[in-house]
Amino acid sequence: AQSVAQPEDQVNVAEGNPLTVKCTYSVSGNPYLFWYVQYPNRGLQFLLKYITGDNLVKGSYGFEAEFNKSQTSFHLKKPSALVSDSALYFCAVNSGYSTLTFGKGTMLLVSP
Amino acid sequence: DAGITQSPRHKVTETGTPVTLRCHQTENHRYMYWYRQDPGHGLRLIHYSYGVKDTDKGEVSDGYSVSRSKTEDFLLTLESATSSQTSVYFCAPQGGDYRYEQYFGPGTRLTVT
Repeated sequence: AQSVAQPEDQVNVAEGNPLTVKCTYSVSGNPYLFWYVQYPNRGLQFLLKYITGDNLVKGSYGFEAEFNKSQTSFHLKKPSALVSDSALYFCAVNSGYSTLTFGKGTMLLVSP
Repeated sequence: DAGITQSPRHKVTETGTPVTLRCHQTENHRYMYWYRQDPGHGLRLIHYSYGVKDTDKGEVSDGYSVSRSKTEDFLLTLESATSSQTSVYFCAPQGGDYRYEQYFGPGTRLTVT
């Protein structure tokens, strides 16, 4: 069985500071990892994914994520947070033998 | 979100009533998924389709059925709505196999009284 853990329900950061939203996963075989963002009253939007290749993946809106196989992690990062980054963030994993499994989400609040 | 519509966007219904939610996509994606989103649970997969008339169950399929008679339309039916099915429902077409991202519709907020 595959699973995703987002250990923080909420992350608070000041505008201009770097942000990290954590994600760890468990999967048999190679992981295919995704980050999505959800703004209020909207559907999820795709941010970035790791399929293979470079461990550092760059995505939309200046976000990036680092795949760490030994720590089974795929943390989302941004060098300088914006108030408009405030939203709900979901990490998801697929082994290729099943459907996508989502974490429970992390609320990111960026204060001015 | 472009090219994905869900209808209705909001619905209030009574316990025991059948309800059908519709997802329509214009990008000819083969795979389509139905999720429900509830506080504290994230997104949970209800049913999915890997082609016309090809569907399978997800994690929380009890009380739900689906149909896909055309590539562009994926219907979710609550056979006899219960209060536990009050939720926000999202449809998500996918551009290819497991390596591809899903594109989410705007959602349907369903309240069962």
